[in-house]
Amino acid sequence: GESVGLHLPTLSVQEGDNSIINCAYSNSASDYFIWYKQESGKGPQFIIDIRSNMDKRQGQRVTVLLNKTVKHLSLQIAATQPGDSAVYFCAAAPPYNQGGKLIFGQGTELSVKP
Amino acid sequence: GAGVSQSPRYKVAKRGQDVALRCDPISGHVSLFWYQQALGQGPEFLTYFQNEAQLDKSGLPSDRFFAERPEGSVSTLKIQRTQQEDSAVYLCASSLRSYPDYGYTFGSGTRLTVV
Repeated sequence: GESVGLHLPTLSVQEGDNSIINCAYSNSASDYFIWYKQESGKGPQFIIDIRSNMDKRQGQRVTVLLNKTVKHLSLQIAATQPGDSAVYFCAAAPPYNQGGKLIFGQGTELSVKP
Repeated sequence: GAGVSQSPRYKVAKRGQDVALRCDPISGHVSLFWYQQALGQGPEFLTYFQNEAQLDKSGLPSDRFFAERPEGSVSTLKIQRTQQEDSAVYLCASSLRSYPDYGYTFGSGTRLTVV
């Protein structure tokens, strides 16, 4: 079946450094991807999304890169802050005519050391 | 309210009990989703509503799980004869459109513990 996976379950970075979280997906027909941040006791919070017709999208301190050739996407967080500590999930949406569900990866726990 | 509201926040059920989990989506949101999140895992899709129509229930793990959204707003996820493997956080999300162009807005979830 379709799967989404992350390369590392945990990532520890120094405050002020850049963070890179990676994700791989299996369904080459997936055309929409989202990164979520989940803090303890809360639901996932939307960070940034990207469509398959793009290879890069930037937000405030975050950048998502999509490589469709190898079915890989990454989330880059610039100047990581303690408030960025959380679990990060990538999710892939099946093509439109397959419904509205998202397939989530396992998550990477980001710890920011002061 | 401005967000997706779920109740109760915590539920402890004895094995074999029935439970009902409620979701109040953002007003006007067409799509509503239920996800199950086991400890240390990513959310897994359970079911999807567009208004009152349940368009996809392929993720419901067994016939003990039932979801409804009779008037196209509030939704209830019911689990009959709960078992220990049902212990998880149940997340509800809503979306303005029928395709997640803007990403879902998730609630904080209901943590269900079956003892």
